[in-house]
Amino acid sequence: GAGVSQSPRYKVAKRGQDVALRCDPISGHVSLFWYQQALGQGPEFLTYFQNEAQLDKSGLPSDRFFAERPEGSVSTLKIQRTQQEDSAVYLCASSAGGNRDLSNQPQHFGDGTRLSIL
Amino acid sequence: DQQVKQNSPSLSVQEGRISILNCDYTNSMFDYFLWYKKYPAEGPTFLISISSIKDKNEDGRFTVFLNKSAKHLSLHIVPSQPGDSAVYFCAASARGSNYKLTFGKGTLLTVNP
Repeated sequence: GAGVSQSPRYKVAKRGQDVALRCDPISGHVSLFWYQQALGQGPEFLTYFQNEAQLDKSGLPSDRFFAERPEGSVSTLKIQRTQQEDSAVYLCASSAGGNRDLSNQPQHFGDGTRLSIL
Repeated sequence: DQQVKQNSPSLSVQEGRISILNCDYTNSMFDYFLWYKKYPAEGPTFLISISSIKDKNEDGRFTVFLNKSAKHLSLHIVPSQPGDSAVYFCAASARGSNYKLTFGKGTLLTVNP
């Protein structure tokens, strides 16, 4: 497709369950990002991939959060033993930039996955 | 600690008039700034950006102004159209980690016909 695709669009899980969120970036985009957006807040950075390498995971809230991009294309964000505070919209973005200076390579966002933990 | 602040949660303007959205930042390491527009149930869409070496960037109806000494930027939309009604996010990135965007909380713009 032409844009960043995320699935599922909505996910409801019970507290304690594991969830997996998928992101298909724009074809050919080297860089991929995950953000978490809580209600009424702006997106907050979680992690960054350049191809298959995870270069920054400093924003992941805890060791229950894990992201991977094994072939440098599709990425999965996994949350283990979910808790109610994990409820948020999870946004994926990609950009064409291949190095850390992405000043002229804006990030293009998907529509997000709305995760609700009961 | 909010490093990027959008102090107006909402703004309402008449169609055809100017919309001015404001953003303040505290981190002096920020050197690249972006504005994103977001419709309900959609992801943010890139609108316009500016590097700290400039003080103005224009793209059609959209102009971003940067005042580094005041750590302030603004987005001007002229003329405003009803389709511009959306949440606008200001974002910034810092030298050395330009891939990591820090966002404000957003301003809901409503353009009335």
